[in-house]
Amino acid sequence: DAGVIQSPRHEVTEMGQEVTLRCKPISGHNSLFWYRQTMMRGLELLIYFNNNVPIDDSGMPEDRFSAKMPNASFSTLKIQPSEPRDSAVYFCASSGQYGTVSYEQYFGPGTRLTVT
Amino acid sequence: QKEVEQNSGPLSVPEGAIASLNCTYSDRGSQSFFWYRQYSGKSPELIMFIYSNGDKEDGRFTAQLNKASQYVSLLIRDSQPSDSATYLCAVIRNAGNMLTFGGGTRLMVKP
Repeated sequence: DAGVIQSPRHEVTEMGQEVTLRCKPISGHNSLFWYRQTMMRGLELLIYFNNNVPIDDSGMPEDRFSAKMPNASFSTLKIQPSEPRDSAVYFCASSGQYGTVSYEQYFGPGTRLTVT
Repeated sequence: QKEVEQNSGPLSVPEGAIASLNCTYSDRGSQSFFWYRQYSGKSPELIMFIYSNGDKEDGRFTAQLNKASQYVSLLIRDSQPSDSATYLCAVIRNAGNMLTFGGGTRLMVKP
């Protein structure tokens, strides 16, 4: 089975540019999560979708960040404009949730973003 | 107080020994508990999950949960150098689906 797929794996961009990160969850999973990991702050949840609907975006740092999930097999995380402090590894994860039962989250390989 | 706390380490154990990793959480309503292993430069990899009080064993790994004391631990028996990684404890706090992660414990297994 293919796991969570993310692209690109590495992104280097200049401050002020728009960055789009992409994620394809595991087939059959109905929950999708975007995380950011830095040495200083560890692993932080940015936003969580269930059945393609954003459920909690309280972790999104500011309006420069936006996320969409147009269908069950694709999600994007966009940063516009990007800043050097956005440099981090961004992970996408997916899981199943049915009623109140939540299942294990599986992570993609991550996108390492560097903003210069 | 952080929601999920782990000693950052490094925890150093000799090859063949038992490594004991601990995690405490603040929300008594927490229901599900997970251990992830993360090698340097890689993504977190799920290795154990536990939902009920007591022990759960899977190969060389044992997860232990004590809800009354609000702690969860991971034991790694017969530790190998390949077990050297950062171990992340994660908690689902209620009926939702959001993981809260601890800061991770770095484990070093010395040959």
